[in-house]
Amino acid sequence: GAGVSQSPSNKVTEKGKDVELRCDPISGHTALYWYRQSLGQGLEFLIYFQGNSAPDKSGLPSDRFSAERTGGSVSTLTIQRTQQEDSAVYLCASSTRTGQTYEQYFGPGTRLTVT
Amino acid sequence: AQKVTQAQTEISVVEKEDVTLDCVYETRDTTYYLFWYKQPPSGELVFLIRRNSFDEQNEISGRYSWNFQKSTSSFNFTITASQVVDSAVYFCALSEDLAGTASKLTFGTGTRLQVTL
Repeated sequence: GAGVSQSPSNKVTEKGKDVELRCDPISGHTALYWYRQSLGQGLEFLIYFQGNSAPDKSGLPSDRFSAERTGGSVSTLTIQRTQQEDSAVYLCASSTRTGQTYEQYFGPGTRLTVT
Repeated sequence: AQKVTQAQTEISVVEKEDVTLDCVYETRDTTYYLFWYKQPPSGELVFLIRRNSFDEQNEISGRYSWNFQKSTSSFNFTITASQVVDSAVYFCALSEDLAGTASKLTFGTGTRLQVTL
């Protein structure tokens, strides 16, 4: 079946503009996660959804970052007033319960470049 | 707080050599899960294995094997008879067990493996 998809695959934006990144999880997966991968910081957790609720937003780096999930499916990560340090690959993952835990399956990522 | 350390930043081997990627973790949880992911040059993270903290049995899958030792908080990954296609960045990760609910992954910084002919 189809894996996790993300769009756009690449996004170049000017500093100060807002951007929206989209994630389509694997059908039926109840949990959805956003991570960020950058050269200086490695792979960092941003936020996770269980259904449409976000029990853990602890990784969002500032109030310029927000995310929502609707219908227990698609999620959008929004970055307002982008800064150069926001440049990174934004990865989305989804999972469902397998036995006693959840295995996360990742999408191809959105490469964000802020100029 | 959870932490995963992959001390090897980069490893280069010649094809057919065996190679071991080290992973050391820290957690206060008694129940947790350990993972290995592969990130090939294409960029997509590929799930390789999951191990829970109650199961210290080593696992073998083809040329891949994993050695989990709770006593040393390590979860090492060995590739036997490496191939060029194994060239990638490998990440070790840890998640806590929230009574069977989903949990975020804490990743190590990754080990870049380069396999040459």
